[in-house]
Amino acid sequence: GIQVEQSPPDLILQEGANSTLRCNFSDSVNNLQWFHQNPWGQLINLFYIPSGTKQNGRLSATTVATERYSLLYISSSQTTDSGVYFCAVEPGGYNNDMRFGAGTRLTVKP
Amino acid sequence: DAGVTQSPTHLIKTRGQHVTLRCSPISGHKSVSWYQQVLGQGPQFIFQYYEKEERGRGNFPDRFSARQFPNYSSELNVNALLLGDSALYLCASSLALNYGYTFGSGTRLTVV
Repeated sequence: GIQVEQSPPDLILQEGANSTLRCNFSDSVNNLQWFHQNPWGQLINLFYIPSGTKQNGRLSATTVATERYSLLYISSSQTTDSGVYFCAVEPGGYNNDMRFGAGTRLTVKP
Repeated sequence: DAGVTQSPTHLIKTRGQHVTLRCSPISGHKSVSWYQQVLGQGPQFIFQYYEKEERGRGNFPDRFSARQFPNYSSELNVNALLLGDSALYLCASSLALNYGYTFGSGTRLTVV
């Protein structure tokens, strides 16, 4: 099955710093989403981005489907950005299950 | 508009018991998926239902079953609970297949 790899596994930043999270996937996909999981377990949808670039405030994402990777950019990080960021992909074909990476745990210190 | 709602939020069960978890999708969404997330890992796919038909099944034993009702809400049932079934169970809804997913807050199941 499709493999999803996220890097780095852990990231510690000072408030105000910028960061880039990476997601590599091993096969073509119909769907790619970035999620932020808060300390209470809620998965918050950040971007639905099977290809192209999107921006939402301090966050932006780029997916290069032909090269099978996606990047999530966080600018001017805040302590509330802390949590685990997951990349999830939906492979092509009949099955429509989302495959999650292992996540990047981000800690933003004041 | 209400998001994806799951009930109960927390649950403690004893080994060997049965549990039913419930999910109501966003209004108008016809696809519901279930995921299991154990501590420190990403969510693992269990089932997907679309228009009340099963469209996908993950690598879980037959003790796990689910169904989708005419109003598109869904139940996940787990029989003969094991300690290893302790996890956060997440439900996600989508307008249709190959659309973005929205997740509920989850049900935290503890098996003792």
